[in-house]
Amino acid sequence: ETGVTQSPTHLIKTRGQQVTLRCSSQSGHNTVSWYQQALGQGPQFIFQYYREEENGRGNFPPRFSGLQFPNYSSELNVNALELDDSALYLCAGSLQGVSGNTIYFGEGSWLTVV
Amino acid sequence: SQQGEEDPQALSIQEGENATMNCSYKTSINNLQWYRQNSGRGLVHLILIRSNEREKHSGRLRVTLDTSKKSSSLLITASRAADTASYFCATVWMNRDDKIIFGKGTRLHILP
Repeated sequence: ETGVTQSPTHLIKTRGQQVTLRCSSQSGHNTVSWYQQALGQGPQFIFQYYREEENGRGNFPPRFSGLQFPNYSSELNVNALELDDSALYLCAGSLQGVSGNTIYFGEGSWLTVV
Repeated sequence: SQQGEEDPQALSIQEGENATMNCSYKTSINNLQWYRQNSGRGLVHLILIRSNEREKHSGRLRVTLDTSKKSSSLLITASRAADTASYFCATVWMNRDDKIIFGKGTRLHILP
């Protein structure tokens, strides 16, 4: 039990549509990170939010955006979906400012774009 | 881009044998972490080793770190069927704690 829950677990979208993925982290996780994991690959860092502000971004286009809320929940939004966006999207909660702190991952949301 | 690269990409061993996976990385790090991922599931944190440590143990896991060679190894002793999973090393960039970068992983299969 990591204290990080994601929804939905699976969804199918059509190319060009928009999708919102949600993450709920246990109290105390003031930092949330999102990762994209394509089949057979390692997770790729999308971005990180700390105290509701973006705090670092990986090599992803602006159509990937996010929000973090005061209650430690978070959203990942992807606009204009492309077939290559099909992947497992992982949310991770952690405590900023603690060197070497453990990062807790949710079970992920499987997105299929057709 | 991915910071760490695991080797081998895939490994099959008999139950009871030891499994060794290696990880190489490119830049200076604060610490290195190993994670396990069962098929299609989230990642589970296994062990963290700091840049000033050379070896660390946790149950059947033994991790080594050689910062001069920018490499780490994960040893799982007396493997069990439940150890079948993908294993990833992850590095934290200097001065950018929490921004962890994963390798492509080693897929470990334990044969009964």
